[in-house]
Amino acid sequence: DARVTQTPRHKVTEMGQEVTMRCQPILGHNTVFWYRQTMMQGLELLAYFRNRAPLDDSGMPKDRFSAEMPDATLATLKIQPSEPRDSAVYFCASDKRGPITGELFFGEGSRLTVL
Amino acid sequence: KNEVEQSPQNLTAQEGEFITINCSYSVGISALHWLQQHPGGGIVSLFMLSSGKKKHGRLIATINIQEKHSSLHITASHPRDSAVYICAVRLIETSGSRLTFGEGTQLTVNP
Repeated sequence: DARVTQTPRHKVTEMGQEVTMRCQPILGHNTVFWYRQTMMQGLELLAYFRNRAPLDDSGMPKDRFSAEMPDATLATLKIQPSEPRDSAVYFCASDKRGPITGELFFGEGSRLTVL
Repeated sequence: KNEVEQSPQNLTAQEGEFITINCSYSVGISALHWLQQHPGGGIVSLFMLSSGKKKHGRLIATINIQEKHSSLHITASHPRDSAVYICAVRLIETSGSRLTFGEGTQLTVNP
């Protein structure tokens, strides 16, 4: 059963610490998205990649956030230094783009709490 | 004004009732998604639509491109349908990759 896998599922950290979240997209999917969900803002797009190349990271605070795809099976989202306002659930999603765009699949999310 | 508006924001129903959740959007889209999120849980894509109607079990999704409107229907609702339902659209103007989300509809189905 193909699924998007995210780690960690939960993370509690102190302000100022580095946080790295990882995502394994579904094999064969060429587009990977990072979303953040908060009560106040709902779901927001942070960044997305196609064929490992970053296409849009305009939703991401550049001073502390960075997103990469070191290879086709791994996407990372890093926050350094973390702040309490970064507390949210971070979702990774993937789909396959081409002549026909496939369904979008979400991971279970990484719930981050920054104290 | 949000580009994607859902109604109602909250909906409480009795088990067995027919439920409709609406989504209106104000821009050109290439596709519309209906997503389901259970409390504390992940997000599941229920449907992706670009025209017409799709059915999966007790769920039916329709879209009217001319009217910029979509509906999600649940027939014979069940307490396990209780979740947040989110409408999301792919905007044509951004090459169809960026999703714009509605605020979600919190559905509670009582036994």
